[in-house]
Amino acid sequence: QSVLTQPPSVSGAPGQRVTISCTGSSSNIGAGYDVHWYQQLPGTAPKLLIYGNSNRPSGVPDRFSGSKSGTSASLAITGLQAEDEADYYCQSYDSSLSGSRVVFGGGTKLTVL
Amino acid sequence: QVQLVQSGAEVKKPGASVKVSCKASGYTFTSYGISWVRQAPGQGLEWMGWISAYNGNTNYAQKLQGRVTMTTDTSTSTAYMELRSLRSDDTAVYYCARDLGVGEYIDYWGQGTLVTVSS
Repeated sequence: QSVLTQPPSVSGAPGQRVTISCTGSSSNIGAGYDVHWYQQLPGTAPKLLIYGNSNRPSGVPDRFSGSKSGTSASLAITGLQAEDEADYYCQSYDSSLSGSRVVFGGGTKLTVL
Repeated sequence: QVQLVQSGAEVKKPGASVKVSCKASGYTFTSYGISWVRQAPGQGLEWMGWISAYNGNTNYAQKLQGRVTMTTDTSTSTAYMELRSLRSDDTAVYYCARDLGVGEYIDYWGQGTLVTVSS
């Protein structure tokens, strides 16, 4: 029951394009807080993939892109490669009457067919 | 290069405490904050809290308030996370991570420390 909702799994064939959604609410994404994305390969620590909704850190291929609109954000991966098979997490900030906190999506497992 | 090196795996009994360390190198420690994030086996990421390495200000997840304490030692560029009254559902990999503030993006992560709580 994450504050940010992601699909549990997505899949695609090599070379295809896939998108991963991250749906929030008016107290987090809809309030204007930035969304960041992380990639976690099996057995390793997460790695920053997209920051500030749509910015790529140095070294991240331009096959990865992020966008945000309203109360949702999306991560798009084009030219899918076998090495992209991993778990992907979105992160934002949530501020409501019950307090403020950093929130993560539940994660999406990407399978490259 | 920026590195966050965490202490080794721990096995604790229910009710005990654990203290995980995170030694930073390759950057000015006091210019950033440290977030702690945990991941239970097969589960997603859970934010535990944040500490400013500049002034020690903290911001803890509400569900852990009263059980967690985060500190830093600027003389050794090391951050610490202590969790008390451990329960079986505290079994997880605990990560320290560098960021510029609460809610900011995390640009570097430690390698993770497995804490197992079992009788």
